[in-house]
Amino acid sequence: RKEVEQDPGPFNVPEGATVAFNCTYSNSASQSFFWYRQDCRKEPKLLMSVYSSGNEDGRFTAQLNRASQYISLLIRDSKLSDSATYLCVVDGGATNKLIFGTGTLLAVQP
Amino acid sequence: DGGITQSPKYLFRKEGQNVTLSCEQNLNHDAMYWYRQDPGQGLRLIYYSQIVNDFQKGDIAEGYSVSREKKESFPLTVTSAQKNPTAFYLCASSSGRAYTGELFFGEGSRLTVL
Repeated sequence: RKEVEQDPGPFNVPEGATVAFNCTYSNSASQSFFWYRQDCRKEPKLLMSVYSSGNEDGRFTAQLNRASQYISLLIRDSKLSDSATYLCVVDGGATNKLIFGTGTLLAVQP
Repeated sequence: DGGITQSPKYLFRKEGQNVTLSCEQNLNHDAMYWYRQDPGQGLRLIYYSQIVNDFQKGDIAEGYSVSREKKESFPLTVTSAQKNPTAFYLCASSSGRAYTGELFFGEGSRLTVL
């Protein structure tokens, strides 16, 4: 089983749609969780951290379910500019490493 | 402006040649990392350094070498021992341990072996 698993997509959605991505992780000792955004042929950039209580930043909501070991990202009112690959990132437990998922590709259509 | 600078952006190499990718940061970050990204795969950690003059192997260190002689600099050498060096290489830094905060990435270096 991969340490971090994501549905690769692509998710093709119309503008204004709500879309949700899930990510599962295998290490129950993981404590830190993040969503990064990567535009085509660019470097990843932090979108948001994921806290136990869940957190929201504008149109973006992140949730953590420790019992089931998954995190989610919800994007409301999708914009064309949201088109990118969304990377789920989890810390490697006792190590000083971050484990990156393969990413989920989102394509927002006009 | 603070940030991470990688060079070159594009590099072509003949088989059997070593090549060094530069990574410089002016964020005053202690920790620096090198990742490799291949199509359809997540970023994989090559080497990381938490402090000057110290570095550790990541998950795919074979065929690579690094040095950390200055806080600002963490160059990566792709040696001829690396079997499949064609990839997108990303350098990153963080102010503390990776799992406590944000990773800042450079724009990446695309290496193609001819």
